[in-house]
Amino acid sequence: DAKTTQPPSMDCAEGRAANLPCNHSTISGNEYVYWYRQIHSQGPQYIIHGLKNNETNEMASLIITEDRKSSTLILPHATLRDTAVYYCIVKYSGGYQKVTFGIGTKLQVIP
Amino acid sequence: EPEVTQTPSHQVTQMGQEVILRCVPISNHLYFYWYRQILGQKVEFLVSFYNNEISEKSEIFDDQFSVERPDGSNFTLKIRSTKLEDSAMYFCASTLRGGLGDTQYFGPGTRLTVL
Repeated sequence: DAKTTQPPSMDCAEGRAANLPCNHSTISGNEYVYWYRQIHSQGPQYIIHGLKNNETNEMASLIITEDRKSSTLILPHATLRDTAVYYCIVKYSGGYQKVTFGIGTKLQVIP
Repeated sequence: EPEVTQTPSHQVTQMGQEVILRCVPISNHLYFYWYRQILGQKVEFLVSFYNNEISEKSEIFDDQFSVERPDGSNFTLKIRSTKLEDSAMYFCASTLRGGLGDTQYFGPGTRLTVL
């Protein structure tokens, strides 16, 4: 399964867009990019996923580069409640699709 | 919106005791998972379950652990003889089909404390 690299921490001012980068240079053609977040010790919360095209939902936008080697999660107007650890995951391409979590990016939204 | 639920939210037990952690996956989902997270560490995969069988398990999931779907709605994780190092958050997850583009939804977790 492809590995991902994320910065360990980021700050973002409340109301501004938070742009969280992720590198996944070994991604294979049929692997999806998923983003989850974990607020304190709660269960991981699904945010968004994509294969090739950019995706948007009510929570966030996902921008995937044309070569698929990196992506960016965008929270358009960050609030204090968006403070969390954000995980970029490339979905394991075999078996029953277990999710392999890394250490993620700790996003701190500052008032 | 449908969600995965877990009970209890916090379980305290003595070392050597058996515990059963319970999960109710999303109702039409077919694939079920358990993960754990030791305080300050990554979320780790334990086991996946489909069609009343374990489909994959990690090296953490040794003979002390078992899973069961006792009825049409519950999915349980049993730890037979708890150790201090089993203290962790345990998360249940479910997914509709288990395919590449399918999404796992996680429950809120059970905090297990072994004394």
